[in-house]
Amino acid sequence: AQTVTQSQPEMSVQEAETVTLSCTYDTSESNYYLFWYKQPPSRQMILVIRQEAYKQQNATENRFSVNFQKAAKSFSLKISDSQLGDTAMYFCAYLSYNTDKLIFGTGTRLQVFP
Amino acid sequence: DADVTQTPRNRITKTGKRIMLECSQTKGHDRMYWYRQDPGLGLRLIYYSFDVKDINKGEISDGYSVSRQAQAKFSLSLESAIPNQTALYFCATRGLADQPQHFGDGTRLSIL
Repeated sequence: AQTVTQSQPEMSVQEAETVTLSCTYDTSESNYYLFWYKQPPSRQMILVIRQEAYKQQNATENRFSVNFQKAAKSFSLKISDSQLGDTAMYFCAYLSYNTDKLIFGTGTRLQVFP
Repeated sequence: DADVTQTPRNRITKTGKRIMLECSQTKGHDRMYWYRQDPGLGLRLIYYSFDVKDINKGEISDGYSVSRQAQAKFSLSLESAIPNQTALYFCATRGLADQPQHFGDGTRLSIL
C-alpha cells in the first residue's frame, strides 16, 4: 500500500522569504500523480500544484514550485516570496493510477510572519 | 455558486442519533468521494463512487454508509453517531482520470 509522509508538523517563515515543505512517499507503482493542497483557516481544500510522475520537469505555478525526485520518492514544495496569505495547512497527496485513491500526508502547518 | 456543495456546514448532535451529510455537484463528474479529517491524521477516505451503480469502501468505512442518488448527489450517513466520529468531513469529485479532485467546503460534525 502507498503511504505519504510529511515529517514537518509545523514551519514558520518571514514574509518575502522562501520556505520548503518536505514530502516523501512510498509506492511500487511507476505511474501516479502527486499534489500539494493548501487548507487555510477557512478550511477549504485548495489545489496548489500537481506533478505527473512520468514528467521529469518540475511543476511550477507562480510562486510555488516542486522538487520531484522520483528515484528518491521525494516531492517537496517551495514557496518563494512568502505572503501572509500563504499561512495555512499544506497537504501532500498521492493519486494512484490503478486504484484512483488519493492518499494524504498528515500535513504541515505553515505560519508566515510579517 | 460553488461547484461542490456540502450541507450542512456545521452540525452538533448527540450520541446515538442518525446523521446524514449531503453533497451535490454541478461539475458533471462521475467520481465522488467522502473523506474525514482529524487533527494530525490528514484526510482519510471513507467511501468512493465511480458512478451511480459503483460504490466502494475506503479505508475507514466502519460506522458509515453512503447513497449515490444521482450522478450529482452523494450522501454520507452515520446510522448511530458516536463521539469519535467528531471530525471535519469533505466531499470531493473528479472528472477525467488525469484531473485533480475538487473539494467541497467541508462539514464540521460534533457528536456530544
